[in-house]
Amino acid sequence: DQQVKQNSPSLSVQEGRISILNCDYTNSMFDYFLWYKKYPAEGPTFLISISSIKDKNEDGRFTVFLNKSAKHLSLHIVPSQPGDSAVYFCAASASDSNYQLIWGAGTKLIIKP
Amino acid sequence: SAVISQKPSRDICQRGTSLTIQCQVDSQVTMMFWYRQQPGQSLTLIATANQGSEATYESGFVIDKFPISRPNLTFSTLTVSNMSPEDSSIYLCSVTGTGEWEQYFGPGTRLTVT
Repeated sequence: DQQVKQNSPSLSVQEGRISILNCDYTNSMFDYFLWYKKYPAEGPTFLISISSIKDKNEDGRFTVFLNKSAKHLSLHIVPSQPGDSAVYFCAASASDSNYQLIWGAGTKLIIKP
Repeated sequence: SAVISQKPSRDICQRGTSLTIQCQVDSQVTMMFWYRQQPGQSLTLIATANQGSEATYESGFVIDKFPISRPNLTFSTLTVSNMSPEDSSIYLCSVTGTGEWEQYFGPGTRLTVT
């Protein structure tokens, strides 16, 4: 049973426009959510996170929105740049899980020039 | 964030053999994690390795197949034993950061079993 779902395997966005990556979860015990970016032949790189007590967290071009009632979060990248082309993973954790992360399947973001 | 290195970066191994992957961190960390990423799939946690205690394995992973050592706070090894082609994956180690929830990853070891 997939507890964290990223339903879009890929997304193509024009350079300079907004990229919106989506993530849904099923476990109501999750209270911390993270986004990672992964380039080929590299490990995932931490991007941004959000606690369940918030509904928005912003860091430069990256904003994460959390809708607890819908069990949905999204990552917005504005403006999108060519270097943003990568696979983006959503991950979630519950406070009683000893910091274990449950990962989505990833969305490949392609930024078109 | 910690700087993490892994050795080897990649290897091609024969069925039935074993490979030991090393993970080195540039600072002392309590918790280290080992993941597997099979082709086209997400990351799956193999085990959590804390210094001074036995590794804790996730469902579907056993110590005989994936023995882990954690001799100190900066180093760990994962061995993939008696390999089969199904073990072909990227193996990643990670550590928790100062924020505890965030994990920082090594570059991965790409293993191909023929």
